[in-house]
Amino acid sequence: AQSVAQPEDQVNVAEGNPLTVKCTYSVSGNPYLFWYVQYPNRGLQFLLKYITGDNLVKGSYGFEAEFNKSQTSFHLKKPSALVSDSALYFCAVRDQAGTALIFGKGTTLSVSS
Amino acid sequence: GAVVSQHPSWVICKSGTSVKIECRSLDFQATTMFWYRQFPKQSLMLMATSNEGSKATYEQGVEKDKFLINHASLTLSTLTVTSAHPEDSSFYICSAREGGVSWNEQFFGPGTRLTVL
Repeated sequence: AQSVAQPEDQVNVAEGNPLTVKCTYSVSGNPYLFWYVQYPNRGLQFLLKYITGDNLVKGSYGFEAEFNKSQTSFHLKKPSALVSDSALYFCAVRDQAGTALIFGKGTTLSVSS
Repeated sequence: GAVVSQHPSWVICKSGTSVKIECRSLDFQATTMFWYRQFPKQSLMLMATSNEGSKATYEQGVEKDKFLINHASLTLSTLTVTSAHPEDSSFYICSAREGGVSWNEQFFGPGTRLTVL
């Protein structure tokens, strides 16, 4: 069965500092990995995905994620955090069977000025 | 990116009544649509997957007679919560995926906040 783990409920970072939001996954076969962001009372916005190819994936709003097969991780990163990045971040996985996305529990990112 | 709309954005109803939530893909044809439920400060829980013209596939533990899903066209799916009760109060989010390609991202609607009194 597919699963996603986001080990941190909350990540706090100062504006201008680099940020990392962690994600590990479990899936049979090759994974399709996604990151989404959710603002209060809003739906999810797509940030980036890994399908195949380069392990470093660049996405929207300056975010990037690194796929590490040996560690089964797909951590979300940004070199310099903004206060406006404060939101709830979800990592998700889908296997090649094409089922719906399975989401992690989410990590709240709080960026202080 | 592609746009998915939901209507209504919020609804309050009395216990025992039924509520219909619409999900539309505005600028693409959604072969597959998904319905999720999200409790406060929790993750999204997949309720069901629907393919246009077919019966929805429900996740384990989701009552198909209570949560009726219809995906009659490539741009519209509806979720009807029948005989709603206070425990059905939640944030319902739909998403849509274009075509049958499994690596296509899902696009999400803005969600519908249901409150059952």
